[in-house]
Amino acid sequence: GENVEQHPSTLSVQEGDSAVIKCTYSDSASNYFPWYKQELGKRPQLIIDIRSNVGEKKDQRIAVTLNKTAKHFSLHITETQPEDSAVYFCAATTNSGNTPLVFGKGTRLSVIA
Amino acid sequence: GAGVSQTPSNKVTEKGKYVELRCDPISGHTALYWYRQSLGQGPEFLIYFQGTGAADDSGLPNDRFFAVRPEGSVSTLKIQRTERGDSAVYLCASSSRPQGRTSESYNEQFFGPGTRLTVL
Repeated sequence: GENVEQHPSTLSVQEGDSAVIKCTYSDSASNYFPWYKQELGKRPQLIIDIRSNVGEKKDQRIAVTLNKTAKHFSLHITETQPEDSAVYFCAATTNSGNTPLVFGKGTRLSVIA
Repeated sequence: GAGVSQTPSNKVTEKGKYVELRCDPISGHTALYWYRQSLGQGPEFLIYFQGTGAADDSGLPNDRFFAVRPEGSVSTLKIQRTERGDSAVYLCASSSRPQGRTSESYNEQFFGPGTRLTVL
């Protein structure tokens, strides 16, 4: 089955700097890669996702890149703000439509004001 | 509209007891998932329903765990003879029916707030 590795496990950045979180996956059939943000005691919330037919997607300060050949994808947050502090999870899944996600172990991002 | 809801928000029980955790998905969502999240870990898949039937229960750790969705909406996760190792946050998520037959048809999974289960 699919296995997702995520690095780093913790990340501290100064406010205004960029943050990058990287994930690798094992199953070349995976074709959907969402990123979730989870604040302390709250539910995971989708912040951005990418499908295997594109290499990059951007939404304001957040971008995700995908390298299918190397089987890795990354989350980039620019101009970080204190409210970006949270745990971020990458995930992957095979097939289209309603299949379970395989999550990484998470990255705890701290943005220092 | 209302999001995914879960009850109870917290459940403390004693080792060996039986517990039920409830999930109310977003209205109209056909797919429902149960995940378990241990401290410092990502959510781990338990079971997934498409309508009333369990499409994939490969994540259930053993036969003490069972889930139902009798009318294709609300789901209940049932844990028998609870063990201390069952302590975790149990998350439910739902998503809508995929449109089309391409890789674009994946639909976002919306998570509930979770039930924190503590087995003493």
